Amino acid sequence: QQPVQSPQAVILREGEDAVINCSSSKALYSVHWYRQKHGEAPVFLMILLKGGEQKGHDKISASFNEKKQQSSLYLTASQLSYSGTYFCGTEIEGAQKLVFGQGTRLTINP
Amino acid sequence: EAQVTQNPRYLITVTGKKLTVTCSQNMNHEYMSWYRQDPGLGLRQIYYSMNVEVTDKGDVPEGYKVSRKEKRNFPLILESPSPNQTSLYFCASSLFASGMYNEQFFGPGTRLTVL
Repeated sequence: QQPVQSPQAVILREGEDAVINCSSSKALYSVHWYRQKHGEAPVFLMILLKGGEQKGHDKISASFNEKKQQSSLYLTASQLSYSGTYFCGTEIEGAQKLVFGQGTRLTINP
Repeated sequence: EAQVTQNPRYLITVTGKKLTVTCSQNMNHEYMSWYRQDPGLGLRQIYYSMNVEVTDKGDVPEGYKVSRKEKRNFPLILESPSPNQTSLYFCASSLFASGMYNEQFFGPGTRLTVL
């Protein structure tokens, strides 16, 4: 079952913050986050496991709310290089399938 | 260099002409998968394989076949392509350990046009 991402698209100025959400109606075991730049393949950002994890590197971090079956990706003080489409992938507990969302298109303007 | 390769990168074909898109990884990954990407629909899984000779349907398997005879290769076969299979296709691989998917490594993509 495909997770739902919101918003579908967001436009920011450089330096502004963004939050991208990923929700599932099923209990999740893990959430993956990937970024895809135009014309390229998706690239791994991070994985979060159930248990309410938080992770981050540079100014990109994420959280996993197990009770809500929701993960949020936080991009702080956005840079031009953050532009692209962000995908979450979810692994439902017991299902052993990794399913990606429809993507969130992030545009950072100077 | 650890990588997933796909061939061809671009392909224009006609309805009904059988084609194969190859995918190969050099990281000894158990898990391999095929996705198609269409505007607004994200990455939709076509087929996946947990190991050699083990394959299963994803969310959009109709019109596609796969095989996993060797660990490194996972070809996608379109026996009778139709215009609605025009799309961008990605192959991906990862370790699958302790019941958990690890980082997915994606190939560069194959842009297929079926006329």
